Amino acid sequence: GQNIDQPTEMTATEGAIVQINCTYQTSGFNGLFWYQQHAGEAPTFLSYNVLDGLEEKGRFSSFLSRSKGYSYLLLKELQMKDSASYLCAVLDSNYQLIWGAGTKLIIKP
Amino acid sequence: ETGVTQTPRHLVMGMTNKKSLKCEQHLGHNAMYWYKQSAKKPLELMFVYNFKEQTENNSVPSRFSPECPNSSHLFLHLHTLQPEDSALYLCASSQDPGVITDTQYFGPGTRLTVL
Repeated sequence: GQNIDQPTEMTATEGAIVQINCTYQTSGFNGLFWYQQHAGEAPTFLSYNVLDGLEEKGRFSSFLSRSKGYSYLLLKELQMKDSASYLCAVLDSNYQLIWGAGTKLIIKP
Repeated sequence: ETGVTQTPRHLVMGMTNKKSLKCEQHLGHNAMYWYKQSAKKPLELMFVYNFKEQTENNSVPSRFSPECPNSSHLFLHLHTLQPEDSALYLCASSQDPGVITDTQYFGPGTRLTVL
């Protein structure tokens, strides 16, 4: 079966760095997406990786290793507003998004 | 209005009620989606419409009935629901599901409670 694993919850301190991991086993691979979802709000697109390596976008970076079935989202200079759930999703060979259950990130002052 | 909007934002209904959820996208996209989001579970894809034609129905019970009158509007008609159907129902849209860089944009969801 298809599976996406990410930690259920993580806690970090304001101003620090946090890495949220995502491992996947899917039928084919056409890219990996990260979304951010604040409580009670819409998931919003953060990043898309289809090639190995690191993609940087301001304070957020996303890394992909296709051979390891692994990605991470790196958040730097954490702010209180970064408290949210972070969803990992893989586009499989049928162009269907397979979603992880999300990682709830709690930022403490 | 911009992006993807959903109404109502909250809905409480009894098991014998009939209600409808509405989604509208203002992005000029061709595809629209219904997802179910339950606590601590992955998003569950329910239905996909591409150019108003239904292309996915992931074994969703018949008590959920989608309708897509045009590429900008999507409805989910609900009847005789069960308490386990209580969840956040998210609508999304995208430009072209056949392209690998296609990105889905979500509405804020309808929080549904079935009593």
